Amino acid sequence: GAGVSQSPSNKVTEKGKDVELRCDPISGHTALYWYRQSLGQGLEFLIYFQGNSAPDKSGLPSDRFSAERTGGSVSTLTIQRTQQEDSAVYLCASSPAGRTEAFFGQGTRLTVV
Amino acid sequence: AQSVAQPEDQVNVAEGNPLTVKCTYSVSGNPYLFWYVQYPNRGLQFLLKYITGDNLVKGSYGFEAEFNKSQTSFHLKKPSALVSDSALYFCAVRDLTGGGNKLTFGTGTQLKVEL
Repeated sequence: GAGVSQSPSNKVTEKGKDVELRCDPISGHTALYWYRQSLGQGLEFLIYFQGNSAPDKSGLPSDRFSAERTGGSVSTLTIQRTQQEDSAVYLCASSPAGRTEAFFGQGTRLTVV
Repeated sequence: AQSVAQPEDQVNVAEGNPLTVKCTYSVSGNPYLFWYVQYPNRGLQFLLKYITGDNLVKGSYGFEAEFNKSQTSFHLKKPSALVSDSALYFCAVRDLTGGGNKLTFGTGTQLKVEL
């Protein structure tokens, strides 16, 4: 596709269950970001991948959160033992190397009940 | 470390009046600056960017922003606001020369344009 694709668009899960959120970046983009946006809040940085470098995990809120990026392309954000405070929109963005803007997907709305 | 500050949670302006949404930044190297807009239940859309060159940058939907190095600011402006401009606006910075390609966002400013 032409843009960043995220799936699912909506996810409702029970407290304590694990969830996986997927991001397909724009082909050829070397940088990939995950952000979290809670209702009415700004963007909270979670994790950043750049090429083959070690990811910047400094924004992950707890060890229940993890992410991987396979083959420098698709990324999966995993949340284990979900809690109600994990409910938010999870946004993925990708960017080509250099000084250009990042392109965002439409997000995955996660609701933990 | 790089950071972005958007000091106003909300800006209210009457339609037809000029608008300004403020942004200041902190980087160790040269900044690359961006503005994004988010309409309700939508993803973030790119508006404009400053990389180098002219300090006044023009972007989508009639928006422009002025880079001021001495004040470390990158305020978003529009000469005549429209009701349809009402949305959440985010400023962001990249510091390639400071090491890394990370994109850091401000907390966002809700713009409300009223008739």
